[in-house]
Amino acid sequence: NAGVTQTPKFQVLKTGQSMTLQCAQDMNHEYMSWYRQDPGMGLRLIHYSVGAGITDQGEVPNGYNVSRSTTEDFPLRLLSAAPSQTSVYFCASTLAGGGEQYFGPGTRLTVT
Amino acid sequence: GEDVEQSLFLSVREGDSSVINCTYTDSSSTYLYWYKQEPGAGLQLLTYIFSNMDMKQDQRLTVLLNKKDKHLSLRIADTQTGDSAIYFCAERAGGADGLTFGKGTHLIIQP
Repeated sequence: NAGVTQTPKFQVLKTGQSMTLQCAQDMNHEYMSWYRQDPGMGLRLIHYSVGAGITDQGEVPNGYNVSRSTTEDFPLRLLSAAPSQTSVYFCASTLAGGGEQYFGPGTRLTVT
Repeated sequence: GEDVEQSLFLSVREGDSSVINCTYTDSSSTYLYWYKQEPGAGLQLLTYIFSNMDMKQDQRLTVLLNKKDKHLSLRIADTQTGDSAIYFCAERAGGADGLTFGKGTHLIIQP
């Protein structure tokens, strides 16, 4: 049982490049979400999904896209990277009814 | 909107108890969480409490919830150097969206 996994661990992009951050969970959790963590800001919700085929926006969705074609995977796409997207990105999952919510190890993204 | 507030720093002596406090504003909160984050690492779920409970104990950790005052606390008994980290309080509202986090409390252990 690997829990929540994220790839890559580190990434450096140039402004304007696109990329996909991968997230997968093997706990059969319906609910998955993406957060970004910036110094002094805590974690802020980017997008979330309550099940395959269903996604919605969180607090800071601009510049990011998501899709949920399977229960296990929830990739986050940066369409055209900007320096303001330099951050640590965390994926999380939980059962739809709530309870234990687990986070992946994070992806450290730098946009130059 | 929803808001979660925590003190930024707490300094305690090794062996003493640490009490980290958190207040939240959303009265529809269903679950409240405490996470631990060490430098350069991810978030480790320490414990969580359902909103119809007022206390939960797990080894050295005690969570107290005062729903009337919207106040949550985490007590760490016999604080050790390995407890040095940032502790985040988070709440999940009744809807389907995600957690709202506080900015985190840096726990500093003095020898």
